[in-house]
Amino acid sequence: SAVISQKPSRDICQRGTSLTIQCQVDSQVTMMFWYRQQPGQSLTLIATANQGSEATYESGFVIDKFPISRPNLTFSTLTVSNMSPEDSSIYLCTSWTGGQETQYFGPGTRLLVL
Amino acid sequence: GIQVEQSPPDLILQEGANSTLRCNFSDSVNNLQWFHQNPWGQLINLFYIPSGTKQNGRLSATTVATERYSLLYISSSQTTDSGVYFCAGGSRSRLTFGEGTQLTVNP
Repeated sequence: SAVISQKPSRDICQRGTSLTIQCQVDSQVTMMFWYRQQPGQSLTLIATANQGSEATYESGFVIDKFPISRPNLTFSTLTVSNMSPEDSSIYLCTSWTGGQETQYFGPGTRLLVL
Repeated sequence: GIQVEQSPPDLILQEGANSTLRCNFSDSVNNLQWFHQNPWGQLINLFYIPSGTKQNGRLSATTVATERYSLLYISSSQTTDSGVYFCAGGSRSRLTFGEGTQLTVNP
C-alpha cells in the first residue's frame, strides 16, 4: 500500500496570501487527487492531478484559485491562492494506481486563514 | 453525479454496545469504501467493499450492490471507536463522500 505524506501539516495564514501544499507518495502511482474538507463537513474532490498535463477540476473549483502541479509520478502540489477565511479547511491528498482497491489518504493539511 | 446518503448523522453509545451505520447510493458504484476519521483528522480506511461481506475484528461491512446500499457494523464498541465514519463511492478513486456519521462512545 502507498504511504502518503503531506507538508505542511498545518498552517495559519493571512487573507490575501497563498499557500502551497505538497503531497509525496512513496511509490509511483497513476493518479493523484486533492480533496477539501471544510469544518464540520464531508470531503469534496477538488481536482485530479495529471502527470504531464493540466489538472482536471471538479465543478466549483478553478485553476486560478487552486493551481496544481504534478511534475512526476510520486509528487504533487496544491496551491490555495488569494486566501480568504472561507478557505480554512483540511486539504487531503490521495493516490490510485492500477489494481488498487483500498484507498489511502495523506494525513491532511489543516489550514486556518485569518 | 452520484449522491451518497448516510444514516444516522449522529450516534451516541455506551461502551460495549453494538451499532449499524448505513450508506445509500443514488447509482451503482464499482468502488465503495468505508473510512474512520479520528479526532486528529486522519482518515483511516476500514473496508473496500463494492459488494459482499467483509470482517475485520469487531468491524464488519456488507454491501448489497443490486440495492445500492452498504452497512457498517461495529460490535462491542470502545471509546477509541469515536469519530466520524464516512462511506464513499464512485469509480476508481474519484470518490463521492457521504456526510458522515458522528459516533461518540462513552465509557
